[in-house]
Amino acid sequence: QSVLTQPPSVSGAPGQRVTISCTGSSSNIGAGYDVHWYQQLPGTAPKVLIYVNSRRPSGVPDRFSGSKSGTSASLAINGLQAEDEADYYCQSYDKSLSGWRVFGGGTKLTVL
Amino acid sequence: EVYLLESGGALVQPGGSLRLSCAASGFSFSSYAMSWVRQAPGKGLEWVSSFSATDGSTYHADSVKGRFTISRDKSKSTLYLQMDSLRGDDTAVYYCAKEVGSTVGYFDYWGQGTLVTVSS
Repeated sequence: QSVLTQPPSVSGAPGQRVTISCTGSSSNIGAGYDVHWYQQLPGTAPKVLIYVNSRRPSGVPDRFSGSKSGTSASLAINGLQAEDEADYYCQSYDKSLSGWRVFGGGTKLTVL
Repeated sequence: EVYLLESGGALVQPGGSLRLSCAASGFSFSSYAMSWVRQAPGKGLEWVSSFSATDGSTYHADSVKGRFTISRDKSKSTLYLQMDSLRGDDTAVYYCAKEVGSTVGYFDYWGQGTLVTVSS
């Protein structure tokens, strides 16, 4: 059970917008720690999608965006495409945990 | 181009030991924190251990503290994870990851992973 809570699954049709939430507490996101997001396609290693809350690495389409407010963060995907079907994870720090680094439980995105 | 290549994964009996290696190239290995992240079959990502670039400090998740030890050899640009007293719930794909960021670091490059199976 991670201290960062994500919905186990979300779904959407091609072209739609979906959002994935990452809910924390005052010891992690609420303490001001940045949030990062990763995409893991089936059978592959994770890849950073959004870093420092809302920044996109080069090569990541601008359909992907991130935001943070209070004790939560969100990943939004606009213009959903079939190749977006993957697992998505948020990551941050938690000052109550040994080593501080923590991932959310992950969200499976299904493109209908 | 940054490359991270893990090796050392195997089938091991409960209570046994294993050492994972991660050979790095394409960047200044000694300048970046490096971490191990694992993923049990069908489960999510779990941070395991990190090696700080600034002062050589090491950090371990509570689930592995006292059993796993992270280390590095700068001369070989290689990260290690010594895993002792292995248990069934240590079964996972173990990823090596390069970490960047001055406050809350994130993992900008990942290896392909190496599978550790703990079973009798």
